[in-house]
Amino acid sequence: SQTIHQWPATLVQPVGSPLSLECTVEGTSNPNLYWYRQAAGRGLQLLFYSVGIGQISSEVPQNLSASRPQDRQFILSSKKLLLSDSGFYLCAWSATGGVRPLNSPLHFGNGTRLTVT
Amino acid sequence: AQKITQTQPGMFVQEKEAVTLDCTYDTSDPSYGLFWYKQPSSGEMIFLIYQGSYDQQNATEGRYSLNFQKARKSANLVISASQLGDSAMYFCAMREVMNAGGTSYGKLTFGQGTILTVHP
Repeated sequence: SQTIHQWPATLVQPVGSPLSLECTVEGTSNPNLYWYRQAAGRGLQLLFYSVGIGQISSEVPQNLSASRPQDRQFILSSKKLLLSDSGFYLCAWSATGGVRPLNSPLHFGNGTRLTVT
Repeated sequence: AQKITQTQPGMFVQEKEAVTLDCTYDTSDPSYGLFWYKQPSSGEMIFLIYQGSYDQQNATEGRYSLNFQKARKSANLVISASQLGDSAMYFCAMREVMNAGGTSYGKLTFGQGTILTVHP
């Protein structure tokens, strides 16, 4: 069965420090990968998605970047964190394209709660 | 304009009763998918149920059913026989086909969520 791992679970970082959040998926090949951010008490906002190695698309211009160095590895980074980067970050995967990509649910990791101080 | 609207910030239900969580959506694409997710206080997102835009019948998964009214663009979640463990945030989401680099993928857009509290 497929599993998704995301770490760390919580992180407290000072303003201006770098960030690296990692997400790996097991049990599937060539997944679509996503990074979402959730502000407190709000819905999820799509930050980045990737349909393959090295292919990253950004939904919202921001202080963050993403990379996909391997098929099942997705990394969220920042060179210098801002206070506004605080939030709950969720990595997700879905089955790749195909005839009906719409019926494939996104499967989420347990999330990283980031606090920038 | 909001693509997914959940108008109920909070809902309360008595244990063993049924509850309906509202969701309306907006799209001009004839092909889309609708999902409901549950987010307990731990933060994980749990997939509950899916409804395709071309599906003729309402989706059901155990105690969860989706009241799909395509003309009204609504996809309400019905939870029957509520349990204390159902207390959580519930998100409605819509998936539309996007194309990136020749490969299709489904972008999932979420509503703002409804906090459900089940009373004993």
